[in-house]
Amino acid sequence: GAVVSQHPSRVICKSGTSVKIECRSLDFQATTMFWYRQFPKQSLMLMATSNEGSKATYEQGVEKDKFLINHASLTLSTLTVTSAHPEDSSFYICSASFQGLNEQFFGPGTRLTVL
Amino acid sequence: DAKTTQPTSMDCAEGRAANLPCNHSTISGNEYVYWYRQIHSQGPQYIIHGLKNNETNEMASLIITEDRKSSTLILPHATLRDTAVYYCIVRVWGGNTPLVFGKGTRLSVIA
Repeated sequence: GAVVSQHPSRVICKSGTSVKIECRSLDFQATTMFWYRQFPKQSLMLMATSNEGSKATYEQGVEKDKFLINHASLTLSTLTVTSAHPEDSSFYICSASFQGLNEQFFGPGTRLTVL
Repeated sequence: DAKTTQPTSMDCAEGRAANLPCNHSTISGNEYVYWYRQIHSQGPQYIIHGLKNNETNEMASLIITEDRKSSTLILPHATLRDTAVYYCIVRVWGGNTPLVFGKGTRLSVIA
């Protein structure tokens, strides 16, 4: 199957700083990418959907000014957590898909800890 | 909200078949049944999907009832590495539609 990478795999930052997480599709062009968040012992929650070259569509309750998503190319999407707070500490996972393809391919996740 | 119901947890002896049920009584005619699993602290992994016929691949078999209101994922010979949370998801065809995850079933394979 196709490979999706995320960088970094884990990050620790201070409260009030911003953190950028990258999601790359390594061997296919991803027309659509999704960002999920997962708190301990909970399921994955969809945060937003982004299509290359378009503004992301955010799920209800997700602050678009806090979680900035950029999908500037067919192989890269970034999620920036701005002014991070301890409650933003979570496991962030991206997935990617190509138009006409049925499957979604998930990245390995990024664990964010805000002190 | 997830459109599926799964047991919270199950145990299975190593080497035996693991049968994971899923109820999706409100599934629409154009929705497929997908199964993913998530091993601790990793991204979800695709297992199998189907519309109405039973499906089999190198990882598992998917049995869908004739009325499509429920399905069963079968891991024929479970190993310790199959310990994970298994998610049953219904979704229309097309990768540009997001997968909505429910709570899944935590499968523990026991030696």
